[in-house]
Amino acid sequence: DTAVSQTPKYLVTQMGNDKSIKCEQNLGHDTMYWYKQDSKKFLKIMFSYNNKELIINETVPNRFSPKSPDKAHLNLHINSLELGDSAVYFCASSQGTGSELFFGSGTQLSVL
Amino acid sequence: GEDVEQSLFLSVREGDSSVINCTYTDSSSTYLYWYKQEPGAGLQLLTYIFSNMDMKQDQRLTVLLNKKDKHLSLRIADTQTGDSAIYFCAEGDNFGNEKLTFGTGTRLTIIP
Repeated sequence: DTAVSQTPKYLVTQMGNDKSIKCEQNLGHDTMYWYKQDSKKFLKIMFSYNNKELIINETVPNRFSPKSPDKAHLNLHINSLELGDSAVYFCASSQGTGSELFFGSGTQLSVL
Repeated sequence: GEDVEQSLFLSVREGDSSVINCTYTDSSSTYLYWYKQEPGAGLQLLTYIFSNMDMKQDQRLTVLLNKKDKHLSLRIADTQTGDSAIYFCAEGDNFGNEKLTFGTGTRLTIIP
């Protein structure tokens, strides 16, 4: 069974569009994250949610809005997509901060 | 429906040129893409070509498009070990259309 699953796996879209990426984990973890892997393969945290509440919000444009309907889901909505948003977005979860991270397989977002 | 076909495997000696081929069926395809997926990572957009072009070159990469035969190829000059990956061909009928049709991917193996 997939522990952390993201959809879609690939997303190619035009500048200015609004898109969402979904993430679900079946590990019973309390904390979920969104990471962005840029063109240099450097993985940076964007958001962290614990029990549906926002814990970490790194310097991310307001165009990015995470939504956690329950602790097993953390979706990422992005408004007015820009070229610089092109990246691989990884969802992850852990049993609390400081615990081992379990990553999804990534969502490749390409903005043209 | 649309169909995109690629050979599953290709082995090339280091330093030689690699040519990965792709055929597609959708005559309304406007954009054709090449993606690279390295082990454990998500897909990465390598390059794309508009259907009104027949060639595009970007450093070691050369994309050739034969629209009449619906044939797309990716040539990698001076193949390096770092080129080992799975290469996906994809096609779309609208600019930025996220509903791309992907090929099965060609696994490129570099022989030392």
